[in-house]
Amino acid sequence: KNQVEQSPQSLIILEGKNCTLQCNYTVSPFSNLRWYKQDTGRGPVSLTIMTFSENTKSNGRYTATLDADTKQSSLHITASQLSDSASYICVVSSFQVMGYNKLIFGAGTRLAVHP
Amino acid sequence: DAMVIQNPRYQVTQFGKPVTLSCSQTLNHNVMYWYQQKSSQAPKLLFHYYDKDFNNEADTPDNFQSRRPNTSFCFLDIRSPGLGDAAMYLCATSSIPRLALDNEQFFGPGTRLTVL
Repeated sequence: KNQVEQSPQSLIILEGKNCTLQCNYTVSPFSNLRWYKQDTGRGPVSLTIMTFSENTKSNGRYTATLDADTKQSSLHITASQLSDSASYICVVSSFQVMGYNKLIFGAGTRLAVHP
Repeated sequence: DAMVIQNPRYQVTQFGKPVTLSCSQTLNHNVMYWYQQKSSQAPKLLFHYYDKDFNNEADTPDNFQSRRPNTSFCFLDIRSPGLGDAAMYLCATSSIPRLALDNEQFFGPGTRLTVL
């Protein structure tokens, strides 16, 4: 069964601190892995995308890693800001025969950054 | 700006009263999706359209229907909403991927449905 598991479920950190979110997946066939940021009451927005051959990808203060052998990914946030408070969702894409990609969503990590 | 638009942003309906949620896109994408997202849970795919072809997920209740009259618009109809259908409904679009990377789904802001 295709699954994406994230940890921790929620996290509170102080402004300026770093944090790392984890994602483990069992998805086949694997196409790519994205991290999405979802602000409260809004739709998810893509932060990073990695295929199986990529180990790391950065987007500003966000750095994602991927270990395709162990099927693990992480999202590291550096020097957190209050605006980083959101849910971070790990989404693994599985290429379908019809030519589109089915997304398997993790439940997300809810991050709260406090001043 | 090209985008995915959902209307209304907030919808209140009564138990059993049919409701329609709307999604439009200016991205000219072939594929449109409807997701249901309950509090603190991952979005759950209900169905999607690949051009005009409708694809229903196996566990989507019959109470949920969809229409796509043209490329730009897609509607989610809930025929008899129950209390358990209260959720955020997300519309997303994507183009047909030529490469593994060309599959990003662009999400609308969502419609939060309340059932009284």
